Amino acid sequence: KQEVTQIPAALSVPEGENLVLNCSFTDSAIYNLQWFRQDPGKGLTSLLLIQSSQREQTSGRLNASLDKSSGRSTLYIAASQPGDSATYLCAVWGQGFSFIFGKGTRLLVKP
Amino acid sequence: ETGVTQSPTHLIKTRGQQVTLRCSSQSGHNTVSWYQQALGQGPQFIFQYYREEENGRGNFPPRFSGLQFPNYSSELNVNALELDDSALYLCASSEGGSSTDTQYFGPGTRLTVL
Repeated sequence: KQEVTQIPAALSVPEGENLVLNCSFTDSAIYNLQWFRQDPGKGLTSLLLIQSSQREQTSGRLNASLDKSSGRSTLYIAASQPGDSATYLCAVWGQGFSFIFGKGTRLLVKP
Repeated sequence: ETGVTQSPTHLIKTRGQQVTLRCSSQSGHNTVSWYQQALGQGPQFIFQYYREEENGRGNFPPRFSGLQFPNYSSELNVNALELDDSALYLCASSEGGSSTDTQYFGPGTRLTVL
């Protein structure tokens, strides 16, 4: 059974710092991995989608990497801003018809 | 192009009641998936509908049921509500049900069961 773990559960950093969020998954037979952002009480916004054949994806200040063999992904946020404060969720699409999500990392960027 | 919309935004019910949540998929999308997100947890897959047929189901009891209509909008029905059903219910639509289709999430319906 696929399990997705995100570390750390919460993170507080000063504005301007570069930071890394970690995601690990137990079954490497995945089709893709996606990072989402969720603001309190709101739905999910897709940030980056990495297909299983890809190693990384970049969008603006965000870079996500995927290492299927080790069951790991990282989300790198450069020059963090207070507006980046949110919960970041990692999800993998495996053998079923859906995403399996981690519990998320709550990020607070202090001005 | 309109995004995914859900109604209602918030809902309060009591134990034992029944509830219906609604989702309008993004234009051109024929697949809708439903997720339950308890407080402090990641979303959990309930089921997916593709062209009006249930296409996959997560580990949820039969009292969670759904429908998809010819215009590809969808309903999630929950019977005999329990306290643990209190959660944010998210729907996501996509052009198809495969892993290569990007899923677009709606804002969710917050259900509170008292």
